[in-house]
Amino acid sequence: GAVVSQHPSWVICKSGTSVKIECRSLDFQATTMFWYRQFPKQSLMLMATSNEGSKATYEQGVEKDKFLINHASLTLSTLTVTSAHPEDSSFYICSASGTAGDYTFGSGTRLTVV
Amino acid sequence: AQSVTQLGSHVSVSEGALVLLRCNYSSSVPPYLFWYVQYPNQGLQLLLKYTSAATLVKGINGFEAEFKKSETSFHLTKPSAHMSDAAEYFCAVRAVTNTPLVFGKGTRLSVIA
Repeated sequence: GAVVSQHPSWVICKSGTSVKIECRSLDFQATTMFWYRQFPKQSLMLMATSNEGSKATYEQGVEKDKFLINHASLTLSTLTVTSAHPEDSSFYICSASGTAGDYTFGSGTRLTVV
Repeated sequence: AQSVTQLGSHVSVSEGALVLLRCNYSSSVPPYLFWYVQYPNQGLQLLLKYTSAATLVKGINGFEAEFKKSETSFHLTKPSAHMSDAAEYFCAVRAVTNTPLVFGKGTRLSVIA
């Protein structure tokens, strides 16, 4: 079946640095990528939606200059957390949707900012 | 707009007992409904989905769900719980293809030996 590879699985970074998270669709073309954030024991909160080759659409309250999303190809999307701070520590999950209309989730990235 | 409500943030069942996780939806158009399972520090795995075909949907690991339009419900069931079923379960809805899924708050399932 469809697989989305998300890396890294976990990352620890110092406050003020930037972190890049990658999601690759391995066996299908991801026309749309969704990025979610999940706090402990909570549901997934949509951060942004990106279509290949277009600028991402961010949800209200999500800083687009802080959470940079790139979806330059049909198999790769990246989320860069710029100038990370402890409050950015969270679990980030991507979800890819292709022409079949299914949604395939990455395995998530645990970000800890110290 | 679409939304889902999951009744019960935590459900506890004995091993071998029936599992019932409740989900009610709200949608202005015919909905597509999903159930996902999440294990700690992992992504979401699709259990099953309703796409306007059969109202009784069978999924993986013995789970099934029934779409009831009159009740706006899509409850998830499994006849006999297994220890490995202990996880977080999310109900989700979407309207149009390639639009974001809208998730419920999740239900944590505990299975007692």
